[in-house]
Amino acid sequence: QKEVEQDPGPLSVPEGAIVSLNCTYSNSAFQYFMWYRQYSRKGPELLMYTYSSGNKEDGRFTAQVDKSSKYISLFIRDSQPSDSATYLCAMISNTGNQFYFGTGTSLTVIP
Amino acid sequence: ETGVTQSPTHLIKTRGQQVTLRCSSQSGHNTVSWYQQALGQGPQFIFQYYREEENGRGNFPPRFSGLQFPNYSSELNVNALELDDSALYLCASSLWGAAQTQYFGPGTRLLVL
Repeated sequence: QKEVEQDPGPLSVPEGAIVSLNCTYSNSAFQYFMWYRQYSRKGPELLMYTYSSGNKEDGRFTAQVDKSSKYISLFIRDSQPSDSATYLCAMISNTGNQFYFGTGTSLTVIP
Repeated sequence: ETGVTQSPTHLIKTRGQQVTLRCSSQSGHNTVSWYQQALGQGPQFIFQYYREEENGRGNFPPRFSGLQFPNYSSELNVNALELDDSALYLCASSLWGAAQTQYFGPGTRLLVL
């Protein structure tokens, strides 16, 4: 079983839609939960990180962590064509020196 | 403030050769991590360097090694290249203890023939 599971998609939505991206994980000791956006042939760009269970909002983006279910989500409201990219979830071990990424979900927002 | 830079951008090697990839940290960042990202996959953690020492390592063989220099820049060395080593190699920097905010460079694309 992989440490982090993420549906690779692809996901295609119309402009303005609400997008839901999800990851599950197996290690209850994970400490931080991050979401990155990666455009083609570029390095990942940090969108948000959370530390504990609950919600965190930043503009059109909301990150949600449910530690009891080992499940994290990223919601994108009012999606734009510029949001078309691959979205990666990532987690850090409680020791702070091990990092685990999902496979990424490819998102296309159609104008 | 300068971001994370990596060199070279692209590289072609043949099986069995050795390669060195370079990374300059974002200004003020003292911790560097390296990742391998195969096509269509998420980044895989190789190792992390802090105070010029390896601080954590993922599931990669010893032929993957690294260095960190006093100015916090870093190198990734891969010996005895294999075809499966073809990937995008990413470097990320952060302050020690704040890896949740690490910043990634653009990567070096390595092709092993």
